[in-house]
Amino acid sequence: AQSVSQHNHHVILSEAASLELGCNYSYGGTVNLFWYVQYPGQHLQLLLKYFSGDPLVKGIKGFEAEFIKSKFSFNLRKPSVQWSDTAEYFCAVKANQGGKLIFGQGTELSVKP
Amino acid sequence: DAGVIQSPRHEVTEMGQEVTLRCKPISGHNSLFWYRQTMMRGLELLIYFNNNVPIDDSGMPEDRFSAKMPNASFSTLKIQPSEPRDSAVYFCASSFPEGGRTQYFGPGTRLLVL
Repeated sequence: AQSVSQHNHHVILSEAASLELGCNYSYGGTVNLFWYVQYPGQHLQLLLKYFSGDPLVKGIKGFEAEFIKSKFSFNLRKPSVQWSDTAEYFCAVKANQGGKLIFGQGTELSVKP
Repeated sequence: DAGVIQSPRHEVTEMGQEVTLRCKPISGHNSLFWYRQTMMRGLELLIYFNNNVPIDDSGMPEDRFSAKMPNASFSTLKIQPSEPRDSAVYFCASSFPEGGRTQYFGPGTRLLVL
């Protein structure tokens, strides 16, 4: 069965620090990969997605993620975080031919001003 | 585009009562997903529909939960009878079915069962 693992449950950073959130998945076939963000009290919003092509994808608000197929990873990065990036971040995987999104358990990011 | 619309946004009810959550997907999307989010279990897919037909309901917790999609623009998730452990945020999401690509989420219904 597919699964998604996010290594960090809670990350605390100061403003301007660099961010990398880990995401690994288990599935042997072709996948679509997503990062969603959930600001406090709000719904999930799409940050970025990977379907095919360039494994380095750029999303909104300066976020990017790199798909490394050999490592089954899709880590999220941002070179310099802001206080407004405080939120919960979810990695999600979907088998290319399937309909279900499998979510990781989420990583809570707190950015200190 | 209005995005995915859910109602009510907040619901407080007593144990044993029936609860009905509603969702209107984005126009033109014909895949619809119901999720539940709790602190303990994170985000769980309950059920999803393609073209109004339930495809996978393996995430529905038990018979107290039921979901319908009578047409392409409306879906309901019903809990009868409700229990305190059903307290959670329930999200609806929709997408195009081809590849079932990007899912767009509604604002959620925050349910509290007393």
